[in-house]
Amino acid sequence: DIQMTQSPSTLSASVGDRVTITCRASQSISSWLAWYQQKPGKAPKLLIYKASSLESGVPSRFSGSGSGTEFTLTISSLQPDDFATYYCQQYNSYSVTFGGGTKVEIK
Amino acid sequence: EVQLVESGGGLVQPGGSLRLSCAASGFTFSSYWMSWVRQAPGKGLEWVANIKQDGSEKYYVDSVKGRFTISRDNAKNSLYLQMNSLRAEDTAVYYCASGTGTTLTLDAFDIWGQGTMVTVSS
Repeated sequence: DIQMTQSPSTLSASVGDRVTITCRASQSISSWLAWYQQKPGKAPKLLIYKASSLESGVPSRFSGSGSGTEFTLTISSLQPDDFATYYCQQYNSYSVTFGGGTKVEIK
Repeated sequence: EVQLVESGGGLVQPGGSLRLSCAASGFTFSSYWMSWVRQAPGKGLEWVANIKQDGSEKYYVDSVKGRFTISRDNAKNSLYLQMNSLRAEDTAVYYCASGTGTTLTLDAFDIWGQGTMVTVSS
């Protein structure tokens, strides 16, 4: 199975900060990588698919990049609504796997 | 409105069984792969199982193989997860999810249900 490793596991930041989260795959997944945002008690929300495509309705401050085994999610200017947990997911294989998550906290 | 609504969760003893259901509306259910994803209390997301549009292909995470069965009824726009031989470590919120970006293959999950809680405890 493909393992997904996210870093950092926790990130403390302030409103207006530029934030970057990294996801590494144990083998090449081409661009079959998605990013989700989850808030407590809620279902995850798709932000980015195919590594860099912005889901409809998602603010443009979110962006994704990478291919192969290294991927990043960037929030260009952190907003109060962005404090949440973020997960990467590979769907190159039918045995889907998620990263361990990155919690973005208020500094 | 595009919607997935799970039901069937609850408290069950170790070794017991439970059947989860997921009712879909607002999109062409039969056109897309469907999935179950779970989240143990305070933990991250874990994919559980996938099923192809016609039910001909099914995939499971290793920890549930031989115990869980995913199925679907396209006539009823419904997805199911039969869970047998339940263990304490199966305790989680179970979400159904679908990727509707393409009908050709599995896609990123753009539709999620609200989740149903399964607690395995004596």
